[in-house]
Amino acid sequence: GAGVSQTPSNKVTEKGKYVELRCDPISGHTALYWYRQSLGQGPEFLIYFQGTGAADDSGLPNDRFFAVRPEGSVSTLKIQRTERGDSAVYLCASSLGGSNTEAFFGQGTRLTVV
Amino acid sequence: QQQVKQSPQSLIVQKGGISIINCAYENTAFDYFPWYQQFPGKGPALLIAIRPDVSEKKEGRFTISFNKSAKQFSLHIMDSQPGDSATYFCAASFPGTYKYIFGTGTRLKVLA
Repeated sequence: GAGVSQTPSNKVTEKGKYVELRCDPISGHTALYWYRQSLGQGPEFLIYFQGTGAADDSGLPNDRFFAVRPEGSVSTLKIQRTERGDSAVYLCASSLGGSNTEAFFGQGTRLTVV
Repeated sequence: QQQVKQSPQSLIVQKGGISIINCAYENTAFDYFPWYQQFPGKGPALLIAIRPDVSEKKEGRFTISFNKSAKQFSLHIMDSQPGDSATYFCAASFPGTYKYIFGTGTRLKVLA
């Protein structure tokens, strides 16, 4: 597609449930990033993929968060046993790879845990 | 040391005026400083970026001024338009990395 696509755009889930958030990067982009943006804050880095492997997952807040990118394209962010504090907009971005290359962001998935 | 501090939190400017947003950083190892523009319900979009070996970069109505010794950089929007009303984020990253440290954002409103 023309840009980074994230689905769903909105997700409401009950506390304790499991959720999956999907990201379709720009075709040909080898680097993929997940960020989390809380209300009124800037995005915070979660994890970075180069190809299929997670090159840096230092931003994942705890072991309830996990992300995969099995074929080096689409990525899924998985959150287990969701908590109300997980409510935020989850942003995905992709780039051609290499350092300091422009990252193009998707519109985000707004996750609300009730 | 990894924080990027951004000010002001919000800004109201008359149409045609100059909007100025400031950021400060602590870690001198940062080597790439982008500015992102975000509209409600949308993801951030790159506006303009600078590296520390340059003191100023201009693209159209948007200019980044960079003061390496003060560890500060700013975004100037000349001839501000109502369509510029959005939230602006500064960011920084380390050499050879891909993850940005974002500021807290500035909500700009340009009055018609």
